[in-house]
Formats: sequence, structure tokens, C-alpha cells
Amino acid sequence: AQSVTQLDSQVPVFEEAPVELRCNYSSSVSVYLFWYVQYPNQGLQLLLKYLSGSTLVKGINGFEAEFNKSQTSFHLRKPSVHISDTAEYFCAVSPRGGSQGNLIFGKGTKLSVKP
Amino acid sequence: NAGVTQTPKFRILKIGQSMTLQCTQDMNHNYMYWYRQDPGMGLKLIYYSVGAGITDKGEVPNGYNVSRSTTEDFPLRLELAAPSQTSVYFCASSYLGQNTEAFFGQGTRLTVV
Repeated sequence: AQSVTQLDSQVPVFEEAPVELRCNYSSSVSVYLFWYVQYPNQGLQLLLKYLSGSTLVKGINGFEAEFNKSQTSFHLRKPSVHISDTAEYFCAVSPRGGSQGNLIFGKGTKLSVKP
Repeated sequence: NAGVTQTPKFRILKIGQSMTLQCTQDMNHNYMYWYRQDPGMGLKLIYYSVGAGITDKGEVPNGYNVSRSTTEDFPLRLELAAPSQTSVYFCASSYLGQNTEAFFGQGTRLTVV
């Protein structure tokens, strides 16, 4: 079975500061890794994903994430945040070769960017 | 390009009533999913479908039913609504399944009183 732990439920940060949202996962098999963002009263949209290859993945809106297999982590980073980045961010994993539809989400991290 | 469309956006049900949450996608995706989102709990998979005529249970299927008669539509049926089904429901679709992007609808906020 897989599980995802997002270590911070809320992260307040000032505009133009850097931010890191932490994600750790547990799985007995290899996984694909995803970060989704949810703006208020909206559905989720994909920020970035790691399937294979380079462990540093770049996504939309200036976000990037680094896959660390030894630490089973997939932390999301942005060097300088904007007010518009205020949203809830979800880390998710899907087992390679597993049953379709098996996308496991973390509980989410609410990023609040203050002026 | 509409993407994934869910209706209704909001609904209040009384205990014991039933309703169908509608979901349609225009991207010709073969995979479709229903999730529920509860505060602080992330998203839990209710049911999913890998193509017309094929559905399977997710993590929290009790109290729900689905059908997939066409590629485009994947309705979620609630029978005998209970307060525990108060949640925000999201429908999603993807082309190949587990390693490709899932596209989400805007959600249906359901309250059972």
C-alpha cells in the first residue's frame, strides 16, 4: 500500500520569499509522483509530475520539485512567491504497474502568501 | 474547450433522499474518477472507470454507485443520503491512467441535513 504525508498543513509566507512544501511518501513499489494545486472554489490542476529521468522537475508558475529516492521525498519549491500563489497544494503518488485509478493524495498544505 | 463539467455546483439533500451527480468530459479520455474531499483529509477515491461499461471501486465506495454507458459521461449516484456524505465531490478524467495528468472538474458541494 502507499501513503503520502504532507508535513505542514499550513505555510504562511511573505510575498517574494522562497517557499518549500514538504512531501514524503511510503510505498513498497516504485511510484509516479505528482503535485496538484487547488485555488479557492476550484478543482485541482497539475503543477508538475515525476515519471522518470532527472530528479529535478520543473512545473508551471515557476514551481519545481526534487525527487529523492533514498529519503522517499518529493518537496515542492519556489524561489519567490506571489500573492496569486495562495492556494492549497496536494502531493500525490501512483504505483507503477498498479491498478488504474490508484492515485493517493496527501492531506494538503495551505499556502498563504502575505503582502 | 469545456474539459470536465460537473453539475450541480451546490446541493442540499435531506437524510434519506437520493441524487445523481453528473460528470461529463469532452476530451475523449478513457479513464474517469470520482473523489470526495473533506477538510484536512485530502481526496479519497470513490469509484473509477477505465472505459465505457467498466467500473471499479476505490477506497470509499460505500453508499455510492456509478455507471459508465458512454466515454463522455460518468454519473455518481447517492442512495439514501447520510450526513457522512456531506463533502465536496470532484470528477476527473485522464487519457492513459496512472502516469498521466488527471483533469478535474470544478466540484459539487453537497450538504446532507
